[in-house]
Formats: sequence, structure tokens, C-alpha cells
Amino acid sequence: DVVMTQSPLSLPVTLGQPASISCRSSQSLVHSDGSIYLNWIQQRPGQSPRRLIYKVSNRDSGVPDRFSGSGSGTDFTLKISRVEAEDVGVYYCMQGTHWPPLTFGPGTKVEIK
Amino acid sequence: QVQLVQSGAEVREPGASVKVSCKVSGNTLTKFSMHWVRQAPGKGLEWMGGVDPADGETIYAQKFQGRVTMTEDTSIDTAYMELTSLRSEDTAMYFCSPVDLTTGDTFHIWGQGTMVTVSS
Repeated sequence: DVVMTQSPLSLPVTLGQPASISCRSSQSLVHSDGSIYLNWIQQRPGQSPRRLIYKVSNRDSGVPDRFSGSGSGTDFTLKISRVEAEDVGVYYCMQGTHWPPLTFGPGTKVEIK
Repeated sequence: QVQLVQSGAEVREPGASVKVSCKVSGNTLTKFSMHWVRQAPGKGLEWMGGVDPADGETIYAQKFQGRVTMTEDTSIDTAYMELTSLRSEDTAMYFCSPVDLTTGDTFHIWGQGTMVTVSS
């Protein structure tokens, strides 16, 4: 199974400041078709998960452009250029390249200082 | 706009079974391969299983094999997840989320979740 790790697990940030979350996979996420099936999922308190980013760097419709994803191989990053209050929640990376099983990272809790 | 509407909260005793539904609105279930993810209170997301878009076969996470069954009724655009031999550790929110067979999009939409509580 592909193990996903994230750091940090807790991220206190100041409003308006940038934030960065790292995600690493135990093996390369490059699929045989050349794509990398790495999603970033946001879960606000008390809400269902919501996909923000798919295939490493593609923002979903309606996702603010302050969110960006990057990476390759086994190392990936989610960046928030300027954190807003509505960004509070838990962020998960998730891989769909090597399955079963589909696997999630442990989550990074973003909170406002 | 596609939405996934799940059934309401359930309470079961240990050893019982529960069946959660997930209805697709705004499209048809045949356009998707449905997957199920659960989240224990205060914990992370855990994939339970889903339909492989390549061949339509349902694949279950090893942890749940023998206890979980995922089915579909395409006539009413509804997917189901049944979990048997419930124990307290199965207390969790259960979500459905699909793979779009047309675009290949994965987990781009989620149901609102169904809380299952296992308690005597």
C-alpha cells in the first residue's frame, strides 16, 4: 500500500500570511498513463470533504486562486498564498495512482493564531 | 449540478448491520463509479472500497472484506453500502464520493455524510 505522510500535522497561521503543507508518498505517484493522481482535500469544521486540487496542480472550479498545488514523484506541496479565516480546517492529500487501496494522508489542521 | 444525497443518521447495537444509501441527483449513477470513505470521530479519512471504473468490479479495502457490501440500483440512481457485524469502532461518518466515468475525475463531489453510531 502507498503510505501518505504530511507535515506539519498542525499549522497555526496568521491571517494574511502564507501557509504551506507538505505531502510525501512512499512510492512514486506517476501512473503508467503518465498522470499523477494526487488530490488535495479540504474539510472545514463540521463539513463534508471538498476537493481543492486534482492531479497535483489543477484547481477545482470555485477554488480561490490563493490555493496552489505543486510537486512530482513522491513530494507534493499545497500552498495558500494569504490565509483567510474561511481556510480553517483539515487538509488531506490523497493518492489514486496505485490502488487498491486509495490512501489519504493523516491530515494537516490549519488554524488561525 | 450533480449532488450526492445520503440517508440519515443511524444507531445500531453491536453485532447488527447498517445500510447507507447515496442518491445521485443532477445526473445518473451509471456515469459514476461510486466509492465510500469513512471518518471516525476526530480522525482522518479512510477509504472503504468502490467500483473499479476499468471493469466495473467492486473492490473493498482489506480491512473491511467480508463485512462490507457495496451495491447499486441504477433504476433509482442510488448506491448502497452495507456494513455487518458492527462494533463500537465502526462509529463514524460515512461518505460517498465518485469517480466520473466520463472525465476520470476522482472524488470531485462528496455526499453530506451519514453518521453511524454503534452503541449498546
